Formats: sequence, structure tokens, C-alpha cells
Amino acid sequence: SQTIHQWPATLVQPVGSPLSLECTVEGTSNPNLYWYRQAAGRGLQLLFYSVGIGQISSEVPQNLSASRPQDRQFILSSKKLLLSDSGFYLCAWVPQGRGTGTEAFFGQGTRLTVV
Amino acid sequence: AQKITQTQPGMFVQEKEAVTLDCTYDTSDPSYGLFWYKQPSSGEMIFLIYQGSYDQQNATEGRYSLNFQKARKSANLVISASQLGDSAMYFCAMREATYTGANSKLTFGKGITLSVRP
Repeated sequence: SQTIHQWPATLVQPVGSPLSLECTVEGTSNPNLYWYRQAAGRGLQLLFYSVGIGQISSEVPQNLSASRPQDRQFILSSKKLLLSDSGFYLCAWVPQGRGTGTEAFFGQGTRLTVV
Repeated sequence: AQKITQTQPGMFVQEKEAVTLDCTYDTSDPSYGLFWYKQPSSGEMIFLIYQGSYDQQNATEGRYSLNFQKARKSANLVISASQLGDSAMYFCAMREATYTGANSKLTFGKGITLSVRP
């Protein structure tokens, strides 16, 4: 069966510090991978998605970047965190090429507080 | 333009009663999918139900049903016989078929908070 792991669960970081959040998927190959951020009152905002190794698309220009060094690994990074980067970050995956009827499977999320 | 609209304020329902959570969407794509997710206070996203744009019948999954009105572009979630464990935030989401690149991108609404009273 497929599982998705996301860590850490919580993180408190000072302004200006770097960030690295990691997400891995098991039990599948060549998944579509996504990073979402959830801020209060704004639902889930898609940040990045990836359809393959090294292929990253950004939805919203911001202080963050993403990388996919391996097929089932997706990393969200920042060189210098801002207060506005605080939020709940969710990684998700979807099987490739399954049309509109396949739901996304989410990790447990990382609650990031920038202080 | 906003693709998914959830405008209800926090919703309250008495235990064992039914409740409807509203969702309207905007797309010009004839092929799309609509989803509802539940997010309890733990933060995990739990998939509840799916409705395809070409489906003739409204989707049902246990106590969850989707009231799909295609002409009105609405996809309301109905929860029957509410339970205390239904207290959570609920998100409506849509996937359009012709989106290039990540063909399974999900666009979410802002969510609705549901509180079930004993």
C-alpha cells in the first residue's frame, strides 16, 4: 500500500533562518507531488508541484523553493524565512495520468512558526 | 478568478441531524472532478467523496452525499445523522481535466468549520 511521510510535524524557526521540509512517498512510482500551504482563512494554497524528477512548477512567487531529487522525494526549502512564511504545510501525491477522478493523498503536515 | 467558493460562516448542527455544506465552483472545462475533504483539528486531510462532471447520479459514501447541480455549478456536501466526530473543517476542491502540466492539480476552497452540538 502507498504511504506518504512528511516531517517534521512542528517547527519553530527564527526569521532569517533556512528551512527544509521533506516529504517521501512509498509504494508507488512516478507520482505527481504537491506542496500546499494553509494559512488561516485562506484554505489550501498550492505552492509547487512536480510531475517528475527535477521538474518543478511554481504556482505563487515567494520566498520558498522546491526540489525533487528522487522520484518519491519532494523537498520544500527557504534560504531565509520571513514571518509571513508561518503556516501549515501539506505535502500530497496523486498517481500520474488518472484523469480527474483520483483524489490526492496528504501527509500529516508541518506546522511552521517563524518567530 | 476564484475557482471554488465556500462562503458559509461557521456551521453548527445538533447531533443526529443532517447538515448541508455549500460549495460553488467555476470552470469552463466540460470535464472535471469535485472532491470534499475533512480536516479535523489534528490537521490531517481526509478524503470524503468524489463527483465527476459526467456522473449522472449524485455521489454517496455512507453518511456523506453530494448534491450536484451542474447547471448551478454547485456541489454541496450533505452529512446525515451528524456525530460529534464530524466536528472539523471541510474543504471543497476541484480538478479540471485540461490543466496542462500536473494534470491532477487540486484547487481548494477556503473551507467551512462545522461544529456538532451534543
